[in-house]
Amino acid sequence: RKEVEQDPGPFNVPEGATVAFNCTYSNSASQSFFWYRQDCRKEPKLLMSVYSSGNEDGRFTAQLNRASQYISLLIRDSKLSDSATYLCVVIKLGGTSYGKLTFGQGTILTVHP
Amino acid sequence: GAVVSQHPSRVICKSGTSVKIECRSLDFQATTMFWYRQFPKKSLMLMATSNEGSKATYEQGVEKDKFLINHASLTLSTLTVTSAHPEDSSFYICSATTLLTGLYGYTFGSGTRLTVV
Repeated sequence: RKEVEQDPGPFNVPEGATVAFNCTYSNSASQSFFWYRQDCRKEPKLLMSVYSSGNEDGRFTAQLNRASQYISLLIRDSKLSDSATYLCVVIKLGGTSYGKLTFGQGTILTVHP
Repeated sequence: GAVVSQHPSRVICKSGTSVKIECRSLDFQATTMFWYRQFPKKSLMLMATSNEGSKATYEQGVEKDKFLINHASLTLSTLTVTSAHPEDSSFYICSATTLLTGLYGYTFGSGTRLTVV
């Protein structure tokens, strides 16, 4: 089983739609969680951290459920510029893996006019 | 904000030659550098972790003699792909962080697209 699993999509949605991505992780010792965005042939860029209490940044809402080992990202009012690959990222701190990022395979989103 | 400069952005080399990729942290001291590779439509796979002044720790299945990593200073880490073959063609990305002030955050280089012909 992969450490971090995502639905690869692709998700094709019209502008203005709401879309949700899911991610599960297998290592219960994981401590920090993030969503990154990667545009084609570019490096990943941090979109937002994910907290158990849930956090929102404009049109983006992230949620973490530690009991289910499940992370979600909700995008409201999709824009054309939201088209990208969204990467779920998990960090397990401590030991020899201090600070190592583990990436999911990414979910491809295409927003069309 | 923190910036990591990665060079070259794109390189084409012949089979059997070696290619060096550099990552420099421009405004912070990178105590730890992570090197990833990414195949088309796949996620980033960690190759190795290097701490300044120490030998790199390689992930399972990554040949340390083929992918030489040097992290001799707090602002520079290099990855050398030795005796490159077409199957080494990939997108290589570095990511730097500093532990000097706690977990600082991860800054990615812009990536190097390697094509071996």
